[in-house]
Amino acid sequence: DQQVKQNSPSLSVQEGRISILNCDYTNSMFDYFLWYKKYPAEGPTFLISISSIKDKNEDGRFTVFLNKSAKHLSLHIVPSQPGDSAVYFCAASEASDTDKLIFGTGTRLQVFP
Amino acid sequence: EPEVTQTPSHQVTQMGQEVILRCVPISNHLYFYWYRQILGQKVEFLVSFYNNEISEKSEIFDDQFSVERPDGSNFTLKIRSTKLEDSAMYFCASSEGLPHTTQYFGPGTRLLVL
Repeated sequence: DQQVKQNSPSLSVQEGRISILNCDYTNSMFDYFLWYKKYPAEGPTFLISISSIKDKNEDGRFTVFLNKSAKHLSLHIVPSQPGDSAVYFCAASEASDTDKLIFGTGTRLQVFP
Repeated sequence: EPEVTQTPSHQVTQMGQEVILRCVPISNHLYFYWYRQILGQKVEFLVSFYNNEISEKSEIFDDQFSVERPDGSNFTLKIRSTKLEDSAMYFCASSEGLPHTTQYFGPGTRLLVL
């Protein structure tokens, strides 16, 4: 039951260029979305989130776009830096008593010089 | 900056043994979670905990699993009789409250069941 999908297992981008990571979801009850970054042997690190009442949220080099009608969100990183190389997870939750997160399978981003 | 901590970082155990994974959530947080990631798979929700009670658990969280907040700072996950398929990274997370506050994750415990 893949409610959150990241169809690209990997992405390679040159330093200074834009990285675009995509995520699709199937559950129309999801109303909050997050992106986490994960290095090997570490826990997920929160990057940015967006509520379903918005279609864009920006924080420095990171911008998340939400297209509710398409059930699609994307993370833009501009400009990409070698330190951004990591696995990026999309996660979603619906308003409930728990806020449990449903994660995608992740996209490995490699930023090369 | 406050962070979630977890101990041990690695645990190797024999099948059938009990293990306890420990977490110290961020001090002013009220909601606590355990997730796990089997190698090569996605991060999966196990259980959420609030006000000294389980608020939700997944199908994975069967009778072999239990959680406890034994004091004001620790949050533990116990697996009573480990199976080979319990081998995974286990992540603890905490958040300030509901709805939709950010969950902050610990570094994880890598559990290997032999």
